Amino acid sequence: GIQVEQSPPDLILQEGANSTLRCNFSDSVNNLQWFHQNPWGQLINLFYIPSGTKQNGRLSATTVATERYSLLYISSSQTTDSGVYFCAVSSGGYQKVTFGTGTKLQVIP
Amino acid sequence: NAGVTQTPKFRILKIGQSMTLQCTQDMNHNYMYWYRQDPGMGLKLIYYSVGAGITDKGEVPNGYNVSRSTTEDFPLRLELAAPSQTSVYFCASSFDRGRGYTFGSGTRLTVV
Repeated sequence: GIQVEQSPPDLILQEGANSTLRCNFSDSVNNLQWFHQNPWGQLINLFYIPSGTKQNGRLSATTVATERYSLLYISSSQTTDSGVYFCAVSSGGYQKVTFGTGTKLQVIP
Repeated sequence: NAGVTQTPKFRILKIGQSMTLQCTQDMNHNYMYWYRQDPGMGLKLIYYSVGAGITDKGEVPNGYNVSRSTTEDFPLRLELAAPSQTSVYFCASSFDRGRGYTFGSGTRLTVV
């Protein structure tokens, strides 16, 4: 099956700093989603981005499907950005979604 | 809109007991999924459904069963609970395959 690797595994930021999270995948994909899991465990869908670039407030994402990676940018980080960020991909007609192991982000005041 | 509702939020089971985790969505989504998340790990697909009456296995289906009699409900059944099933279980639904997921708040299950 498709492999999904995320980097870095852990990240500590000072409030106000910017960061880039990376998601690499081993095969071509039809779909790619980014999720944020807050410290209380709730999973929130951030982006659906199989290709191209999208922005939502301080967050933006870019997927370069031909090179098999996606990037999530967080600008002017806030403590509420803390949690784990997951990339999830699917390919083929089956559309089974495979999650990466996540990047754990801690934003300190 | 309630979105995806899971019950219970917490449960402790003894080895060999059985239980059903409930999942209901009110968004009229055809696609529903059950995932488990072990500590410090990503999510692994247990079962999924593409519509009422249609279910299929995911990556880790052993020890679980599902049914989908209505569009709204997708219960997950654990038979003969084992310590390896200690995990957090998430139900999700989507309007399309592989995109637009909405997750429930999770069920934390401990098997002792």
